[in-house]
Amino acid sequence: RKEVEQDPGPFNVPEGATVAFNCTYSNSASQSFFWYRQDCRKEPKLLMSVYSSGNEDGRFTAQLNRASQYISLLIRDSKLSDSATYLCVGPSGGSYIPTFGRGTSLIVHP
Amino acid sequence: DAGVIQSPRHEVTEMGQEVTLRCKPISGHDYLFWYRQTMMRGLELLIYFNNNVPIDDSGMPEDRFSAKMPNASFSTLKIQPSEPRDSAVYFCASSSAGTSGRARYEQYFGPGTRLTVT
Repeated sequence: RKEVEQDPGPFNVPEGATVAFNCTYSNSASQSFFWYRQDCRKEPKLLMSVYSSGNEDGRFTAQLNRASQYISLLIRDSKLSDSATYLCVGPSGGSYIPTFGRGTSLIVHP
Repeated sequence: DAGVIQSPRHEVTEMGQEVTLRCKPISGHDYLFWYRQTMMRGLELLIYFNNNVPIDDSGMPEDRFSAKMPNASFSTLKIQPSEPRDSAVYFCASSSAGTSGRARYEQYFGPGTRLTVT
């Protein structure tokens, strides 16, 4: 089983919608998670960190649910420019090797 | 800062040829990562360095792949001989450990090298 798993989507939503993605992880000892954004044919770019207390940045909210071992990314008031693939990242075991999920594709349409 | 620099941006080569990919990390970063991305397998970590020393190369597919980091500002990933299944986008990323250690996950990626082996 891959250490970090995501629903590949695509999530197809209208502008202004609220959309949420989850990412499950298998290593219960993991404590550091991040969300990256990757536009088509571009490199991944760091979007935000995921803290145990939750983390909000404008329209984006990231949360960690330790009991159920998943992290989430909530996007409010979706914009066309939010269309991208969203990758979650967590450490692999205790070695601090970053492991990327396969990514969730988001398409925001007019 | 110029960000992570990779070259070439595109490489088309024939099976059996040697391919060398190059990366210049962000100045001051002490971690360097090489990734491969394909539709089938997503983003895979091949190898990473800390202070120019290879720490984990368990992701390197086989002996045809090798990576070096002779100094803090330069790294290479070499494939010899190349095969069609090596076709992918290869990313280099760098990060700084910072004070908490979490920063190593806050990686800055280069634009990637799109490799096609025919």
